[in-house]
Formats: sequence, structure tokens, C-alpha cells
Amino acid sequence: DGGITQSPKYLFRKEGQNVTLSCEQNLNHDAMYWYRQDPGQGLRLIYYSQIVNDFQKGDIAEGYSVSREKKESFPLTVTSAQKNPTAFYLCASSMERGLEQFFGPGTRLTVL
Amino acid sequence: DAKTTQPNSMESNEEEPVHLPCNHSTISGTDYIHWYRQLPSQGPEYVIHGLTSNVNNRMASLAIAEDRKSSTLILHRATLRDAAVYYCILRRGGTYGQNFVFGPGTRLSVLP
Repeated sequence: DGGITQSPKYLFRKEGQNVTLSCEQNLNHDAMYWYRQDPGQGLRLIYYSQIVNDFQKGDIAEGYSVSREKKESFPLTVTSAQKNPTAFYLCASSMERGLEQFFGPGTRLTVL
Repeated sequence: DAKTTQPNSMESNEEEPVHLPCNHSTISGTDYIHWYRQLPSQGPEYVIHGLTSNVNNRMASLAIAEDRKSSTLILHRATLRDAAVYYCILRRGGTYGQNFVFGPGTRLSVLP
């Protein structure tokens, strides 16, 4: 089955530690995205990538970093510089200039 | 980017039609109107999209006002599985969707 996978579903980390969230897609999509969602809020764009080895900052990129070495993979690192990292993180992908974004199941990160 | 306005919450009875409104008075000529929905603790899923004409698919219908300043998502017969947060989003044509802005959406409750 084609789709987007995110792992793990739940992640706990101590304050001050960097943590990397995984996102993999087998839809052969060019574009991939990372969003953050806080309770009762909509989604906010962290980073997006339109093609391998290229990515752009979204609205709330501070404290986050990404890489796009392979078409299928777009990992997100939450660094210790992110002041409020506890949130629900969603990865998505779309075809080149596609009209529909496909979302993964999300990773809920809790920083203790 | 053009913004959308939706009611915070709506309620419907099971097996009755539901009309979810969205205002987008600053929409531009190349903006597509998208609807996504998000079930609890899941990633959003695509529902429908349109540009100028009304659209139907297996999930819902989208009615777009003639001046395009508002639209309505129509669920013809609500089921308990339709209880979700519904997002109305504008996407500029020709882009990858990096300018998707997910506001707080409308929380739809379906009563048995």
C-alpha cells in the first residue's frame, strides 16, 4: 500500500536533547512538508521541500532542522533551541504542483 | 496569503445533511478552495477542492458562491464517522501547497 509513515507514534525526551522524527513516503511524490499542531489549533508549516537536496523554511522554522537526501525521506530534527517542542508533528507529501497533500499519522512529542 | 473564516463548531444529527460554511473574502483569481478534515489524533485527510464551479465526489459536495468570496462543504448524510475538525484552505494555483494555512477549522459533532 502506498502512503506516508511516521515513527514513532509517541516520543518522550528530556529537555535539552535533540530528537529526530522520521517521515517516509512511497508515493513517489516530489514535495514533502512538516507541520506542527498544538492542542485546539490548526497546523503550522515548519519546513517544506520541493525536490531532493532542497528545502525551504515555513512559518515557524526556528529551533528545527531538516534534510532531504532521498526522495522518500524527510526527517525533522527538533533541537534544544526550540523553546516549546511539545506538540503533535505531522508530515505530508504532494505531487509536483499537485493539488492534494497526503498526511502521515503524526508523531506526538512530549518533552519532559 | 488570503485567509478563511469558519465557525468554531457545529452540530448535526446522524443521517441529516450538514452544511459547513467558509468565508474567504480576499480570495484571488488563482486560489483553489480546499477542504480537509482531521479525526482525533490523526493526520488531516483531503475531502474536496474546487476553483469556480461546484464539485461533487464520493465524500462530499462543494458549493462555491458566484463571487467566490464564500463556499460551503456539504455532507449529504452525516454519519458518526464524519465527526471531525473540518478545515477550509486556499491554495495559490501553480504552487506546491507550501502556502497552505490551516486555521482552527470547524469542529463538527454528529449526534446519534
